[in-house]
Amino acid sequence: QSALTQPPSASGSPGQSVTISCTGTSSDVGGYNFVSWYQQHPGKAPKLMIYEVNKRPSGVPDRFSGSKSANTASLTVSRLQAEDEADYYCSSYTGINNFVLFGGGTKLTVL
Amino acid sequence: EVQLVQSGAEVKKPGESLKISCKGSGYSFTSYWIGWVRQMPGKGLEWMGIIYPDDSDSRYSPSFQGHVAFSVDKSISTAYLQWTSLKASDTAMYYCARHLGGSYSDYWGQGTLVTVSS
Repeated sequence: QSALTQPPSASGSPGQSVTISCTGTSSDVGGYNFVSWYQQHPGKAPKLMIYEVNKRPSGVPDRFSGSKSANTASLTVSRLQAEDEADYYCSSYTGINNFVLFGGGTKLTVL
Repeated sequence: EVQLVQSGAEVKKPGESLKISCKGSGYSFTSYWIGWVRQMPGKGLEWMGIIYPDDSDSRYSPSFQGHVAFSVDKSISTAYLQWTSLKASDTAMYYCARHLGGSYSDYWGQGTLVTVSS
């Protein structure tokens, strides 16, 4: 199975909003409400930001939100802050042997 | 506090074997899947598979099936990722993570850097 498709880069100015897309198929993103998003700063481990499409773990700011339409999921970061600059990865359950797919990652730059 | 602590960086030669570890604490280790994720230098995350510590039920990504093996030692709340014959292309950072519902990982280890070079 191919990786989920994310734009390689995204950017926005402090205070603005940015949305990152994640496109899969009806066998993964479109077939299950099991899309999650991870933030990774350089040299650090990934951090869970969104799970099950739109749920935020405790401690994640409400500036981060998730949604899904058909085979495309989205992560929106509102009121951008400098510390949001990082790589963001989506992932989706595929229903095949508990298999999970990651997206290729999006580098978010805060201008 | 949930923690996953991984073993330290390794430098190996092609053809050598290796076993890296991931020790869980702060939660019931046998009640949650442990997942393994590879990140090659400068590249994205790749899901390798998961193991359920209670019964060692393992699910491998087709991309890694047959080349790596997962195992656990419940008595010390530790999961392992093992290679019998390393290749240069195995050079990467490897993360373990607590994996929920088969779909997402909420706590991650700090990563183990594996370098394979002759």
